[in-house]
Amino acid sequence: AQSVTQPDIHITVSEGASLELRCNYSYGATPYLFWYVQSPGQGLQLLLKYFSGDTLVQGIKGFEAEFKRSQSSFNLRKPSVHWSDAAEYFCAVGGGFKTIFGAGTRLFVKA
Amino acid sequence: GAGVSQTPSNKVTEKGKYVELRCDPISGHTALYWYRQSLGQGPEFLIYFQGTGAADDSGLPNDRFFAVRPEGSVSTLKIQRTERGDSAVYLCASSTGPSSGNTIYFGEGSWLTVV
Repeated sequence: AQSVTQPDIHITVSEGASLELRCNYSYGATPYLFWYVQSPGQGLQLLLKYFSGDTLVQGIKGFEAEFKRSQSSFNLRKPSVHWSDAAEYFCAVGGGFKTIFGAGTRLFVKA
Repeated sequence: GAGVSQTPSNKVTEKGKYVELRCDPISGHTALYWYRQSLGQGPEFLIYFQGTGAADDSGLPNDRFFAVRPEGSVSTLKIQRTERGDSAVYLCASSTGPSSGNTIYFGEGSWLTVV
């Protein structure tokens, strides 16, 4: 069955520190992968997506993600976190009507 | 419009009442989706439309939930005899098509509270 696992329910990092949010997926075909961010009281905003080609994908707000087929992972990274990055982050696989979301990782940023 | 628009943004209703939630997708997007998001969870699929027809409604939890998209643009999610367990954020999204690989774009959601 297709699924997405985000192992970390919440993560706390200091402002200026690097960030990595983990995502593992199970998908029968070539996966289309997405990361979304949801700020409190807001809808989901697309950060980046991977369809094919270069396995390192650049997104908005300085985020990037790396697709590793051998590990079935699509981890999200940012070299230096800002206080405004505090939000919930969702990994998703599939696209279109087949989009399946993980349960999310809540990011806390401390000064 | 520029993005997916949902109304109302917040709705408080009494148990047993009827509720309608409206979604206006991105112009030109033929696929429209409804998701439900409970506290601490990711979005869960409810139903999607391709054009005017409901192509997949397998996520609707029971027959109290119904959605329409009569002209292939705006959609309304209807909940009858609301229960406290229906309290959640109802997210609408749209995409250029329903196929795998199409990016879906979300509205800001309608927060429903049933008291």
